[in-house]
Amino acid sequence: DVKVTQSSRYLVKRTGEKVFLECVQDMDHENMFWYRQDPGLGLRLIYFSYDVKMKEKGDIPEGYSVSREKKERFSLILESASTNQTSMYLCASSAWTGEAYEQYFGPGTRLTVT
Amino acid sequence: QKEVEQDPGPLSVPEGAIVSLNCTYSNSAFQYFMWYRQYSRKGPELLMYTYSSGNKEDGRFTAQVDKSSKYISLFIRDSQPSDSATYLCAMSGGTSGTYKYIFGTGTRLKVLA
Repeated sequence: DVKVTQSSRYLVKRTGEKVFLECVQDMDHENMFWYRQDPGLGLRLIYFSYDVKMKEKGDIPEGYSVSREKKERFSLILESASTNQTSMYLCASSAWTGEAYEQYFGPGTRLTVT
Repeated sequence: QKEVEQDPGPLSVPEGAIVSLNCTYSNSAFQYFMWYRQYSRKGPELLMYTYSSGNKEDGRFTAQVDKSSKYISLFIRDSQPSDSATYLCAMSGGTSGTYKYIFGTGTRLKVLA
């Protein structure tokens, strides 16, 4: 079974702090993603990476950066946390199965910025 | 207009009912269609996917794609209280790429015992 793990389930940070969210997958997937999920807005893509050290902006990259130094690990960085970044953050990884790109999610990190 | 539209619900049904969950989309280039189930405070879990048009069945779940109408459905037969969750559709293809999925906002389903 594919396993995607995230470093924290719940996190509380103060405005202006630098925040690191870590994600690790154990299935050698090429692609990794960071989303945020908010009520009424659904899942919105922040950044994705299709290879080590490669990254592309998603739909809402402002205020975020990412790092992928190893294939299995994809980090999301909030450079200076703000209250409007309070959200559920979901990491995912995917690979081609021969029929489709199957995308698997981690359990999520619920971040509260006060 | 959003690329993918999904009724947020909640949809309440009695145990044993057949449930129909639907999404519409506007991008005719979408070719890959996925359904996820998300329990409260958990990450989405991949249920099933279909490529292009047609039906796919897996146990009590059937996924259906109608590309001519830009409409996809997930049917759940003999629904159980454990099916109570939010169901997300996702799709990809065309200029957005085949590995980057666009998600609906989810439909909340409640199956009453």
